[in-house]
Amino acid sequence: QKEVEQDPGPLSVPEGAIVSLNCTYSNSAFQYFMWYRQYSRKGPELLMYTYSSGNKEDGRFTAQVDKSSKYISLFIRDSQPSDSATYLCAMIRLENSGYALNFGKGTSLLVTP
Amino acid sequence: SAVISQKPSRDICQRGTSLTIQCQVDSQVTMMFWYRQQPGQSLTLIATANQGSEATYESGFVIDKFPISRPNLTFSTLTVSNMSPEDSSIYLCSVEGKDRDRWLSQYFGPGTRLLVL
Repeated sequence: QKEVEQDPGPLSVPEGAIVSLNCTYSNSAFQYFMWYRQYSRKGPELLMYTYSSGNKEDGRFTAQVDKSSKYISLFIRDSQPSDSATYLCAMIRLENSGYALNFGKGTSLLVTP
Repeated sequence: SAVISQKPSRDICQRGTSLTIQCQVDSQVTMMFWYRQQPGQSLTLIATANQGSEATYESGFVIDKFPISRPNLTFSTLTVSNMSPEDSSIYLCSVEGKDRDRWLSQYFGPGTRLLVL
C-alpha cells in the first residue's frame, strides 16, 4: 500500500460547480498536509497547507484534514476554467535528519465553460 | 519565492544515449532537489544535491544512472545515462524557500519532458 493515495481522475465539472478533491494516507506520522496545483507544462506550485485537523480557507479554496480517518480534501467553490489543472496532495513527516515529502499521483481537473 | 529555469524544456532521445538537464535558480540556495514525474505516477524524489558535497540518492536511484553535479549555489545538472524507454518522464528540479519551516516552501522548475525511443 502506497503511503499516499489519490484518485487520478480525470474530473470534469461545469463552471461554477463545487469541486472536491481527496487523498487518503496510511502513515500517522504525517504532520503537514499540502495541496499543489500543476498547470500543463509547468511545475507544481504550492496552493495551501494545513497542520492540524480541521478546515483552512483561502478565498475559493478550503483545505480539510481529518487525521482520525487519515483523509484530506481540497474544496474549490465557484470553479473557473482557469482552475483546470492537476492537483497534487502532499504530506510531510519530520525526521531527525530532515523531512520526508510524499506526493499523491495528482487529480486532473477540467472546468468547462 | 525563487524563479527556476530548466534546459532543455523537452527532448526526444534514442535508447542508450545520455541527456544532461540543467537547472538554474535566480538566488543562492543550499539544497536543490531532483524529481521524476512519470505518467500516472507520484512525483518521486531522485536525489538531493548540496553544493560542495556528493548528492544523496533515494532508494531505487543510483549515481551511475543519474549522476548529478552541483558546482555552485545557483546551478545543478542531472544526467540520465544509458537511457531506455522506461526513463521517459518529466524531470523537475526544486529548491527550498527561505522560510523557517523550509519544507513548506518548495519551488519547482517547469520540468524537462523526456521521451526515449
